[in-house]
Amino acid sequence: QSVLTQPPSASGTPGQRVTISCSGSVSNIGRHILNWYQQLPGTAPKLLIYSDDQRPSGVPDRFSGSKSGTSASLAISGLQSEDEADYYCAAWDDNLNGYVFGSGTQVTVL
Amino acid sequence: EGQLVESGGGLVRPGGSLRLSCAASGFTFSSYWMSWVRQAPGKGLEWVANINQDGREIYYGESVKGRFTISRDNASNSLYLQMNSLRVEDTAVYYCVRAGDDNWFDPWGQGTLVTVSS
Repeated sequence: QSVLTQPPSASGTPGQRVTISCSGSVSNIGRHILNWYQQLPGTAPKLLIYSDDQRPSGVPDRFSGSKSGTSASLAISGLQSEDEADYYCAAWDDNLNGYVFGSGTQVTVL
Repeated sequence: EGQLVESGGGLVRPGGSLRLSCAASGFTFSSYWMSWVRQAPGKGLEWVANINQDGREIYYGESVKGRFTISRDNASNSLYLQMNSLRVEDTAVYYCVRAGDDNWFDPWGQGTLVTVSS
């Protein structure tokens, strides 16, 4: 059981907006930067959002991140078929003195 | 941009040892924290260990503490993970990652599969 809670799945039709939540606590999201990773089927994960809401170069602007208190969200606007993947949130946790990943959310494009 | 290439994975019996290596290129290796992250078959991501630029500050995940040792050689741009007392539950793809100032991980290597089985 991860200390960062994500819904196991999310889905939408092409063009829709999908939102993935990541719920934590003061010891992780409340005090530290949150990052998001995308893992396409059969590939290594890739950094998608860093420092809560920043996109690395090359990441489409339909991906956006936000954070408030001990929760964060990843939004995908204008969902595309190539967005089908697993998405993970992650942050440092002071209680565990280590880095923690969320349990992951599988996004399906209907 | 940077590139990371892991090696050293394979099949090992429970209780055995294995040493993973990661060759870094395309960035100033000695300027970054480095980490190992693993993913068991069909499961999510699990952080394993971090090491700072000069190797003097190290953190481990609870599940590997006392059994795994992370190290680095800045002269050869290499990261290592010595895994001892391996358990069936250590079976996973192990990824080498560069860590940024805000603990972001980028890039990721292609991963190396470690299978612990009798």
